[in-house]
Amino acid sequence: AQSVTQPDIHITVSEGASLELRCNYSYGATPYLFWYVQSPGQGLQLLLKYFSGDTLVQGIKGFEAEFKRSQSSFNLRKPSVHWSDAAEYFCAVGALRGSTGNQFYFGTGTSLTVIP
Amino acid sequence: ETGVTQTPRHLVMGMTNKKSLKCEQHLGHNAMYWYKQSAKKPLELMFVYNFKEQTENNSVPSRFSPECPNSSHLFLHLHTLQPEDSALYLCASSQVSGTGNQPQHFGDGTRLSIL
Repeated sequence: AQSVTQPDIHITVSEGASLELRCNYSYGATPYLFWYVQSPGQGLQLLLKYFSGDTLVQGIKGFEAEFKRSQSSFNLRKPSVHWSDAAEYFCAVGALRGSTGNQFYFGTGTSLTVIP
Repeated sequence: ETGVTQTPRHLVMGMTNKKSLKCEQHLGHNAMYWYKQSAKKPLELMFVYNFKEQTENNSVPSRFSPECPNSSHLFLHLHTLQPEDSALYLCASSQVSGTGNQPQHFGDGTRLSIL
């Protein structure tokens, strides 16, 4: 069965420090992987996605993620965190559902706090 | 106007009231979704519509009734809700694909509080 695990419920980093958020997935076929960010009072915004090809993908807001098939991981990174990056981050696997449409399996999210 | 728009942003209702949540997408997508987001819980997929047809109902109680009159609009009709239904309700849309690789685009949600 498909599933996504985000081991870290909450992470605190200092502004300017590097960041890595972990994501592990379980999926039997080629995974389509996504990272979303949710700021307070808002919906989920797509940060980046991985379908195939280069295992290091670049996204918006200076984020990148690396797909490692051997580790079933898709970790999100940012070299230098800004205070505005404080938010909830969700990893997701996209899968074909039935003959049409897609379904996302979301992780439980990682809450990021940035301290000055 | 672009993206996915949800109205109202906030809704407070009593358990005996009837209300509706509205979602509209301007992305030309043909699949729409309702999710429930409760504190400390994973996102819960409630309903899926592809090309206006409901293709998924994840054992949602009948007090939630979805309606999808066309590919751009999605409603969630609410009736006789319970306090545990208080949550953020998110609407999303995507292109239907044969592989499941299309990202979902989300609205900002409706914060629902049941008195």
